[in-house]
Amino acid sequence: DAGVIQSPRHEVTEMGQEVTLRCKPISGHNSLFWYRQTMMRGLELLIYFNNNVPIDDSGMPEDRFSAKMPNASFSTLKIQPSEPRDSAVYFCASSLFLSGAKNIQYFGAGTRLSVL
Amino acid sequence: LAKTTQPISMDSYEGQEVNITCSHNNIATNDYITWYQQFPSQGPRFIIQGYKTKVTNEVASLFIPADRKSSTLSLPRVSLSDTAVYYCLVGDDNQGGKLIFGQGTELSVKP
Repeated sequence: DAGVIQSPRHEVTEMGQEVTLRCKPISGHNSLFWYRQTMMRGLELLIYFNNNVPIDDSGMPEDRFSAKMPNASFSTLKIQPSEPRDSAVYFCASSLFLSGAKNIQYFGAGTRLSVL
Repeated sequence: LAKTTQPISMDSYEGQEVNITCSHNNIATNDYITWYQQFPSQGPRFIIQGYKTKVTNEVASLFIPADRKSSTLSLPRVSLSDTAVYYCLVGDDNQGGKLIFGQGTELSVKP
């Protein structure tokens, strides 16, 4: 399996522009997670989905952020409008969630976002 | 989700055994303990998971005392390539697989 695939790997944009980050989870996995990582705040969970349904979006910083999972093989994280403080590395992870099992999360390589 | 406390950083030399201890005083009965490793410019990677006593795999060992209020990740004979950040996490199935990452321990292995 190719693992979790994120695109783009790097994104440079100007303040006010819309940014869309994409994620393809591992085939067969039923949970998907979006994280943001910065030096100041570390690795933060933004939102996660089980069976394509958002379960917990309490980590989404504000209304400028939105995430969708239209099907089991694709998810997007959108920032509109973007601001310089959104600059960070955004990770997507997926897992096969089974009660009582290990529930290991597999992370993608991340998208490094720079908002100028 | 139970909060964890671990050292911010550790230094070691090649060939040494490294032990990183994590405190989780409020661990619940159903919680299991999981460790992840993160290299620069990469996403975290699962290392090992346990519930009690000792767990060993090809990468590391995890020691968990009877009270489960702490755990120790043991890396045998580290090499330069083990330089990374190591995260200790505690959780159960009730959160749908949700993980909360702390600040982690930055391990630096020197020649």
